[in-house]
Amino acid sequence: AQKITQTQPGMFVQEKEAVTLDCTYDTSDPSYGLFWYKQPSSGEMIFLIYQGSYDQQNATEGRYSLNFQKARKSANLVISASQLGDSAMYFCAMRVGTGGFKTIFGAGTRLFVKA
Amino acid sequence: DAGVIQSPRHEVTEMGQEVTLRCKPISGHDYLFWYRQTMMRGLELLIYFNNNVPIDDSGMPEDRFSAKMPNASFSTLKIQPSEPRDSAVYFCASSVYRTGGETQYFGPGTRLLVL
Repeated sequence: AQKITQTQPGMFVQEKEAVTLDCTYDTSDPSYGLFWYKQPSSGEMIFLIYQGSYDQQNATEGRYSLNFQKARKSANLVISASQLGDSAMYFCAMRVGTGGFKTIFGAGTRLFVKA
Repeated sequence: DAGVIQSPRHEVTEMGQEVTLRCKPISGHDYLFWYRQTMMRGLELLIYFNNNVPIDDSGMPEDRFSAKMPNASFSTLKIQPSEPRDSAVYFCASSVYRTGGETQYFGPGTRLLVL
């Protein structure tokens, strides 16, 4: 079965520190894509970062990096130098199926950044 | 560039009424997705299109839901008749697949309340 698991319902981090949000996935398809999205309290979904299953290097986008450990089936999001504006809900998602674009989402992790 | 546009942003209706949600994807994107977000079920993919053709509608809850994409710049999600349990935020997203990466850009969502 294809599944995304985010085990941390809520996380606290001190401003300017780094934080890791956990995500594990399960699929038997060799071709898949992994995404992270941010959903602030205003409700919009903001794309942060993407990792393809065949990508050799971990994806990075500014302060965001994806720690991709294929053997462990994990795709953790690392946010460096946290800012107050990073307080939001974060979703891990997986696009599954060779040639397909069906995307499933995890339950999300709510991040609180403390001043 | 304009992002994904959804209308209306808010909809309040009475049980039994027909509801039509609209979406304009980003120009040049050939995939369009409809999602539903609720507290109980999280983010669920309802249906997605590729080049205006429905590819996977396995997430559509029941026959009361229907979606169309008559052309590359417009899609609708219709609920007829609506029920209180349909109350949710409905997101439209569009995507284009390119070698080296992919993203899904979400619209602002339509907040639906069925009384």
